[in-house]
Amino acid sequence: GQQVMQIPQYQHVQEGEDFTTYCNSSTTLSNIQWYKQRPGGHPVFLIQLVKSGEVKKQKRLTFQFGEAKKNSSLHITATQTTDVGTYFCATNFGNEKLTFGTGTRLTIIP
Amino acid sequence: ETGVTQSPTHLIKTRGQQVTLRCSSQSGHNTVSWYQQALGQGPQFIFQYYREEENGRGNFPPRFSGLQFPNYSSELNVNALELDDSALYLCASSPGTGGYGYTFGSGTRLTVV
Repeated sequence: GQQVMQIPQYQHVQEGEDFTTYCNSSTTLSNIQWYKQRPGGHPVFLIQLVKSGEVKKQKRLTFQFGEAKKNSSLHITATQTTDVGTYFCATNFGNEKLTFGTGTRLTIIP
Repeated sequence: ETGVTQSPTHLIKTRGQQVTLRCSSQSGHNTVSWYQQALGQGPQFIFQYYREEENGRGNFPPRFSGLQFPNYSSELNVNALELDDSALYLCASSPGTGGYGYTFGSGTRLTVV
């Protein structure tokens, strides 16, 4: 079935270092959404990208949608302990079902 | 503006029993989706309701069923519980179907023993 893969599965970074997670699909996506889930918490919507090559920024977070609309990335500059959690990409594949990626779990070393 | 609320927060059931989980959608949202999240996994789509009608279903057996009420709140019912049904059940609401960010509730942690 249709799925989105994320890499890496886990990432441990020193506080202050940058972090990037990548989301890839074999099919063209109509949109890509990003969610953050803190340990023991629930997914929280961060952003949606819909246009080819789109780049959006939220403070230290930069989101990109690939030119072919088959991949996306989330980059965090100068990580802080509050950035700890699992980051999921997700897409509708053009229907009502929101399919989540496999997630990247970020831990911060103080 | 209130967010999505789910009840109960935790539940322990015995294999073979039935369970009903409840969700109140965010004000102004007419679409509710339910997800199952096993430990260490991403959320898996169960089904979606739009204006009281099922609007899409994931790969879950018929013993997973749901309802949406006129006020857009929703229930998830699971019959004949199995051990593998142990998971976090998440409800999410959105202003419409597809193309919107979803607001998730805090979830119900179901343990089947």
